[in-house]
Amino acid sequence: DGGITQSPKYLFRKEGQNVTLSCEQNLNHDAMYWYRQDPGQGLRLIYYSQIVNDFQKGDIAEGYSVSREKKESFPLTVTSAQKNPTAFYLCASSNWGDWTEAFFGQGTRLTVV
Amino acid sequence: SQQGEEDPQALSIQEGENATMNCSYKTSINNLQWYRQNSGRGLVHLILIRSNEREKHSGRLRVTLDTSKKSSSLLITASRAADTASYFCATDAGGRDDKIIFGKGTRLHILP
Repeated sequence: DGGITQSPKYLFRKEGQNVTLSCEQNLNHDAMYWYRQDPGQGLRLIYYSQIVNDFQKGDIAEGYSVSREKKESFPLTVTSAQKNPTAFYLCASSNWGDWTEAFFGQGTRLTVV
Repeated sequence: SQQGEEDPQALSIQEGENATMNCSYKTSINNLQWYRQNSGRGLVHLILIRSNEREKHSGRLRVTLDTSKKSSSLLITASRAADTASYFCATDAGGRDDKIIFGKGTRLHILP
């Protein structure tokens, strides 16, 4: 089945630690995105990538890093520089150049303990 | 920066009534989409309307787009309890890049 998979579903991080959230898609989409969602709020764009080995900052990139070494994968690292990392993180993918629909993973809920 | 802004932020209606949500955006777009999110889950695509279209239907959903006012509306007719969710509009950046920008959403609650 084609789709986009995020893991883990729940993640706990101690203050000062870096953590990496996984996002994999087998939809052959060129574009991938990471969003952050806080309780009762909308989605804010962290990073996006239109093609392998290239990515751009979104509106709230500070404290986050990404890589796009493979078309299928777009991992997000939440670094210790992110002061308020507790949130729901959503990964999405779409076609590039003719955006008709974005497909979302089921999200990763990150909690700092 | 938020491209789309939904209105109202929250809406409660009786089952069977129609629900209308609005979205305003700031820059020119190629198309606008509506998504649904059940609590704690990912978003699911509902409907797309292109910038040269004015109205589109899909089942109980009706979407309108007014590019002169930079606004869109989503109408859900004959609402059901299962329609309880958050609804988001999303826009591209008008072709300058492939950023997809979401609004803050409307939380819809259908009362039995």
